[in-house]
Amino acid sequence: DAKTTQPPSMDCAEGRAANLPCNHSTISGNEYVYWYRQIHSQGPQYIIHGLKNNETNEMASLIITEDRKSSTLILPHATLRDTAVYYCIVRGQGGSEKLVFGKGMKLTVNP
Amino acid sequence: GAVVSQHPSRVICKSGTSVKIECRSLDFQATTMFWYRQFPKKSLMLMATSNEGSKATYEQGVEKDKFLINHASLTLSTLTVTSAHPEDSSFYICSARGGFGRNTEAFFGQGTRLTVV
Repeated sequence: DAKTTQPPSMDCAEGRAANLPCNHSTISGNEYVYWYRQIHSQGPQYIIHGLKNNETNEMASLIITEDRKSSTLILPHATLRDTAVYYCIVRGQGGSEKLVFGKGMKLTVNP
Repeated sequence: GAVVSQHPSRVICKSGTSVKIECRSLDFQATTMFWYRQFPKKSLMLMATSNEGSKATYEQGVEKDKFLINHASLTLSTLTVTSAHPEDSSFYICSARGGFGRNTEAFFGQGTRLTVV
């Protein structure tokens, strides 16, 4: 079972920052937060992951609350190509640990 | 990110035949590979996990004799749907993870659309 909850959908204006929330109140100390996205009829694309510190890469920023019970994925300047289903996933350590997908959140970037 | 290639991207087969889907990690050694299926407007459902050289571990409710998984090398895993039926029509996606690091990310193939007629 997925250990995260996300709103089912969100709209964002092109060029604005998109802030995608995720709750993971039952996360344990050695579990990471991963974000993936899936554009229609394609395989999921890795975005970012983190443990407790905030993380940033060329795609996005990940802000994790101090108690680690929630996080926010930030797309700083959303484009139309960012329209996708975004999945927030909690995963344990170890190479064989599974990525279990929940329902995700559909982000629609509007012109 | 690392590249994972799936082949074919789309296949149509007759009911009762078997179909093999290949998943290759092109620029890294995949110690663990995962197979998912996805129905329209639904999320990805994990079918099985395979480690190179070992038997796959199947999720509850997934028939191991119907969905044969082979992970014979560090760059190739195959999923064979045996005696396919129309209800097996779905989008199949593989994922590969390399290394033994505690937080290595998994990369996904582009998926295979299987239609059984």
